[in-house]
Amino acid sequence: KNQVEQSPQSLIILEGKNCTLQCNYTVSPFSNLRWYKQDTGRGPVSLTIMTFSENTKSNGRYTATLDADTKQSSLHITASQLSDSASYICVVSPVGTGANNLFFGTGTRLTVIP
Amino acid sequence: DVKVTQSSRYLVKRTGEKVFLECVQDMDHENMFWYRQDPGLGLRLIYFSYDVKMKEKGDIPEGYSVSREKKERFSLILESASTNQTSMYLCASTPGGVFNQPQHFGDGTRLSIL
Repeated sequence: KNQVEQSPQSLIILEGKNCTLQCNYTVSPFSNLRWYKQDTGRGPVSLTIMTFSENTKSNGRYTATLDADTKQSSLHITASQLSDSASYICVVSPVGTGANNLFFGTGTRLTVIP
Repeated sequence: DVKVTQSSRYLVKRTGEKVFLECVQDMDHENMFWYRQDPGLGLRLIYFSYDVKMKEKGDIPEGYSVSREKKERFSLILESASTNQTSMYLCASTPGGVFNQPQHFGDGTRLSIL
């Protein structure tokens, strides 16, 4: 079983609308949780990193939240734009392991339509 | 800005060929990674290097080897390519000894083995 589950798998929204992507994880204890954006045909780009002690982090129109008690994170996108069409990947880093031990979700594919 | 450059965006090879994928980063990062990305699966780590000539196997090293002769360059080698190695390959880097840093990814090499 994947230790990082993302939902929904895919999502279509109208330009200008808000949306929320979910990430549930079982990795515990963890050091940090990351959200990446991956445009089609490109590599992932970091949006936010939150340590276990943070519960929110913003990057422009992107806001990530973290509830360590329920082991859930959300990525909220405000006033969506066509350029937000991409896959969004949640990544969890366990405590006490090296840089090579990351747990990746399978991503949510977001499509923003005019 | 960190730049991770992968030598080829698209590559087509035949089964049994020896294939080299090259990755160069320009920020003097100690850590470099090779992942493969397949539909419906999260990124899976093939190999990790934490210094010149140092390497560790990831989750799926079978059929692959790596070389890191210079700090900025990390090569992935498919010893005898097979069709099940058709995939998107992503290279990434991070600084060493700094834990809560995002990975910087290249734009990937889409490899097809015929």
